[in-house]
Amino acid sequence: DIVMTQTPLSLSVTPGQPASISCKSSQSLLHSDGKTYLYWYLQKPGQSPQLLIYEVSNRFSGVPDRFSGSGSGTDFTLKISRVEAEDVGVYYCMQSIQLPPYTFGQGTKLEIK
Amino acid sequence: EVQLVESGGGLVQPGRSLRLSCTASGFTFGDYAMSWVRQAPGKGLEWVGFIRSKAYGGTTEYAASVKGRFTISRDDSKSIAYLQMNSLKTEDTAVYYCTRDDIVVVVAAHYYMDVWGKGTTVTVSS
Repeated sequence: DIVMTQTPLSLSVTPGQPASISCKSSQSLLHSDGKTYLYWYLQKPGQSPQLLIYEVSNRFSGVPDRFSGSGSGTDFTLKISRVEAEDVGVYYCMQSIQLPPYTFGQGTKLEIK
Repeated sequence: EVQLVESGGGLVQPGRSLRLSCTASGFTFGDYAMSWVRQAPGKGLEWVGFIRSKAYGGTTEYAASVKGRFTISRDDSKSIAYLQMNSLKTEDTAVYYCTRDDIVVVVAAHYYMDVWGKGTTVTVSS
């Protein structure tokens, strides 16, 4: 199975400041078809997860442009340019190049200072 | 509005069975694969299993932790996906989410979860 490792596991950010979360996979997520199957989800407190980013860097419908994804191969980053109060929650990366299983990172909890 | 509503959760004794349902609305259910993902109390997300659309064979895949005990099925005429859970263990205690899985086809098919339900809680305890 592909292991997804996120760092940090928690971070506390002042509103208006940037935030960055790293996700590393144990195998390359670049497929021979040219696509990279890395996704980011946010689980807000008391809610189910929601899709933020698909295929490394594409924002899902309705996701604010302060969220951006980047990376390649085995190293990926989610950045929030200016954190807002509504961004609190747990962020997960996920791979789907290899199924079964889909695998998630451990999650990174974002809090507001 | 695209919506997924899980039901069927509850308290069940170890070794017993439970069937969860996921009722979909707002999209053509038969066109999509569906997954089940669970979250144990205070823990992260764990993918449980997946069923492809009929167009891609309607076949299933499972996590090693549930293979042989859990079965996913679908009724496209009712827009419902099911998770049949047998021989339940205390470690199966979790919130179970149903997800819609969109497909990316270039050479082979790849999937990702784009819509999630609110979840249903399963507690396995004596």
